[in-house]
Amino acid sequence: GQQVMQIPQYQHVQEGEDFTTYCNSSTTLSNIQWYKQRPGGHPVFLIQLVKSGEVKKQKRLTFQFGEAKKNSSLHITATQTTDVGTYFCAGPRGSTLGRLYFGRGTQLTVWP
Amino acid sequence: NAGVTQTPKFQVLKTGQSMTLQCAQDMNHEYMSWYRQDPGMGLRLIHYSVGAGITDQGEVPNGYNVSRSTTEDFPLRLLSAAPSQTSVYFCASSYSSGEGEKLFFGSGTQLSVL
Repeated sequence: GQQVMQIPQYQHVQEGEDFTTYCNSSTTLSNIQWYKQRPGGHPVFLIQLVKSGEVKKQKRLTFQFGEAKKNSSLHITATQTTDVGTYFCAGPRGSTLGRLYFGRGTQLTVWP
Repeated sequence: NAGVTQTPKFQVLKTGQSMTLQCAQDMNHEYMSWYRQDPGMGLRLIHYSVGAGITDQGEVPNGYNVSRSTTEDFPLRLLSAAPSQTSVYFCASSYSSGEGEKLFFGSGTQLSVL
């Protein structure tokens, strides 16, 4: 079945350094979503990518969807302590809505 | 709006006990789902529903039951709790925007089974 693989599992950076997390699917995805979970909190939706090769930016965050719609990345420029948390990618299985399958997440720690 | 409300926030059970985790949403969303989160495992889908009266299994459904009698409520039942069910449980709701959906999560229930 479809799996959504995410690497790395952990990333420790000093404040001001860049950070990237990668997500790969064994099958083509109709869309991919990214969520952020702060320590002790719940996942919060960040963005959805739908088109092949799509790139979207949110301030210091850049999201990309691969040409084959099987991979995606999240890049944070000049990390800040407020970026701390776990970042998850998620993709639908098949065409049925209502069920998203999540990667295992990348836990980001930012040292001041 | 309250969004997605989960109760209780914390629960301790003994092996073999049963309980129901409550989830309610006030956004009139069609879709609702339950996830469990374990360290290093991400979020795994337990059960989901695409509307009142319709439910289906996710990745890890064993040991859990769900029902959806109304659009607003989607309770998760543990019939006979086991230590392997110690986890953080998140309920989520979503709607179709034509291109996909985005999930709105509740604040979670931390469950320990002794």
